[in-house]
Amino acid sequence: DAKTTQPPSMDCAEGRAANLPCNHSTISGNEYVYWYRQIHSQGPQYIIHGLKNNETNEMASLIITEDRKSSTLILPHATLRDTAVYYCIVRVPNTGRRALTFGSGTRLQVQP
Amino acid sequence: SQTIHQWPATLVQPVGSPLSLECTVEGTSNPNLYWYRQAAGRGLQLLFYSVGIGQISSEVPQNLSASRPQDRQFILSSKKLLLSDSGFYLCAWSGVGQGLGEQYFGPGTRLTVT
Repeated sequence: DAKTTQPPSMDCAEGRAANLPCNHSTISGNEYVYWYRQIHSQGPQYIIHGLKNNETNEMASLIITEDRKSSTLILPHATLRDTAVYYCIVRVPNTGRRALTFGSGTRLQVQP
Repeated sequence: SQTIHQWPATLVQPVGSPLSLECTVEGTSNPNLYWYRQAAGRGLQLLFYSVGIGQISSEVPQNLSASRPQDRQFILSSKKLLLSDSGFYLCAWSGVGQGLGEQYFGPGTRLTVT
């Protein structure tokens, strides 16, 4: 799986958009970008994934650059409940290791 | 919609005692099931996964075992707990058509071995 790089922490004001970046410059053509988050004392939560097109669901939007070397997770209207560690991972969806391997992620603090 | 349940939420057990953690999934059939452990301040470690009833694969040798007696039930067990078994145990599932990267986690069981 390609390595990812994320800033260790970010702050965001409640009600504003949170834009979480992830660099994955060594991504290969068949690898997808996945985003998860883990709220304190809870299990990880799947957010969204994509290959090369931008994706949106009820939780967030995922913007992947044209060269696919980086992506941004956007929480359009952050709330206090979005305070969590956000993980970006890159992997092939249907082959390889079954384990999800998270890096150190970005600790997002939503401020009231 | 699909839901995943784990119990108990917290557990304090003495060294040498047995362990049984249960996980059930609702709203899906023939899921892939996973047991992970997360030690304090550390990443996820996959312990076991299962692609069907009675089919268990172990990722790391350890003091634990897993069983899948029914399609949507996954059990983690130990005959004698060690201090090093303390941690946050997470059950997860993925759908056959969703790929291995899209996994849905339960609320977890926080185990303290004393």
